[in-house]
Amino acid sequence: EDKVVQSPLSLVVHEGDTVTLNCSYEVTNFRSLLWYKQEKKAPTFLFMLTSSGIEKKSGRLSSILDKKELFSILNITATQTGDSAIYLCAVVDSSNTGKLIFGQGTTLQVKP
Amino acid sequence: NAGVMQNPRHLVRRRGQEARLRCSPMKGHSHVYWYRQLPEEGLKFMVYLQKENIIDESGMPKERFSAEFPKEGPSILRIQQVVRGDSAAYFCASSPRHRGNTEAFFGQGTRLTVV
Repeated sequence: EDKVVQSPLSLVVHEGDTVTLNCSYEVTNFRSLLWYKQEKKAPTFLFMLTSSGIEKKSGRLSSILDKKELFSILNITATQTGDSAIYLCAVVDSSNTGKLIFGQGTTLQVKP
Repeated sequence: NAGVMQNPRHLVRRRGQEARLRCSPMKGHSHVYWYRQLPEEGLKFMVYLQKENIIDESGMPKERFSAEFPKEGPSILRIQQVVRGDSAAYFCASSPRHRGNTEAFFGQGTRLTVV
């Protein structure tokens, strides 16, 4: 059965800290991996990763994919209270549907 | 260009009633996905629809749940005879075509509470 596993499930840090969120997957028909940020509303898109070893960067956030070891990490540097959210990792199924297979999410709380 | 619109945002139903959740995809998007998020869990795929067609409903419970995406109007997720375990957030996502190298855009979700 296809699965996506995120760790840690929850994390509490202080402003200014750097965090690394992990996502490992076992998916038969892998196309790409997506990261989303979810506050109390719709998941908002952060990154799409398709190739190994190419870092995607957006401000203080960055992410990279390792297709050999089947995992991805999301880094957030100099965290701010506004980074507090659930971070979701999802794998795009490359079969006919293109559905997303989500991990459980990592709940990040950044304290002032 | 409005995003994916879901309504209602919050829905309270008594056990045994029916729940109807609506999703209007982004303009120009003809592919709709429904996901369910139970408390403390990630999103789980339910169903994938194109206009007038159900493409993949492998994530839908076998009974009481149905979905449609008519030629005109929003996509509807219908839950008959709701039970407490149906309480969850239901998210709709749309994309302009079969998802290849493009992310899906999510609506704000409908939070269903069954009392």
